Amino acid sequence: EVQLLQSGGGLVQPGGSLRLSCAASGFTFNTYAMSWVRQAPGKGLEWVSAITNDGAGAYYAVSLKGQFTISRDNSKNTLFLQMNGLRAEDSAVYYCAKFQTPALTARGAFDYWGQGILVTVSS
Amino acid sequence: DIQMTQSPSSLSASIGDRVIITCRASQSIGSYLSWYQQKPGKAPNLLINSTSTLQSGVPSRFSGSGSGTDFTLTISSLQPEDFATYYCQQSYALARTFGRGTKVEVK
Repeated sequence: EVQLLQSGGGLVQPGGSLRLSCAASGFTFNTYAMSWVRQAPGKGLEWVSAITNDGAGAYYAVSLKGQFTISRDNSKNTLFLQMNGLRAEDSAVYYCAKFQTPALTARGAFDYWGQGILVTVSS
Repeated sequence: DIQMTQSPSSLSASIGDRVIITCRASQSIGSYLSWYQQKPGKAPNLLINSTSTLQSGVPSRFSGSGSGTDFTLTISSLQPEDFATYYCQQSYALARTFGRGTKVEVK
């Protein structure tokens, strides 16, 4: 059974940093591209970032302007999102998601999602 | 980025109704269109990918169609468990943009 277990969220002050983790199991993690998606309270889904299966390629929403860094540790089956310079508008539930197809360029959907973790940016 | 426009943003329907949700892409995305269902407090759930491929376990009352820029999700006979928010998403571009969602509510 595929599982994506997220951790690392919480309350952070404006300008602060936070690192989210997503521990994967039930599939060959190093074979699949992974992604982060966020959802502000009461709002829709916003794609944040994606990373290739080997970690060599990372892609971001233009709106983030270098604020976030996606990475992965395939030896630990874990995906990360490092968030710096956090602002109130970054407050959201963050989801990690697995691509349905191994290659990022294969144009697959997200077939499994983490449980979501809340990030609140407030003083 | 490719913009995805969903309509309507919400709708009220009764059990047994046929429900149609549309999604339009700002440029051609071929057949690279997926639909997700999300219930309050839960992660999205993939219903359909590649415009019309139903995921395992998804009831056959759900169907998708379209190509290029215009797509539809149809629920042939709405069931109580179908009241939720539905999102389209394009997987043509690396930036996997979503529509703003359609909330299906009880009439």
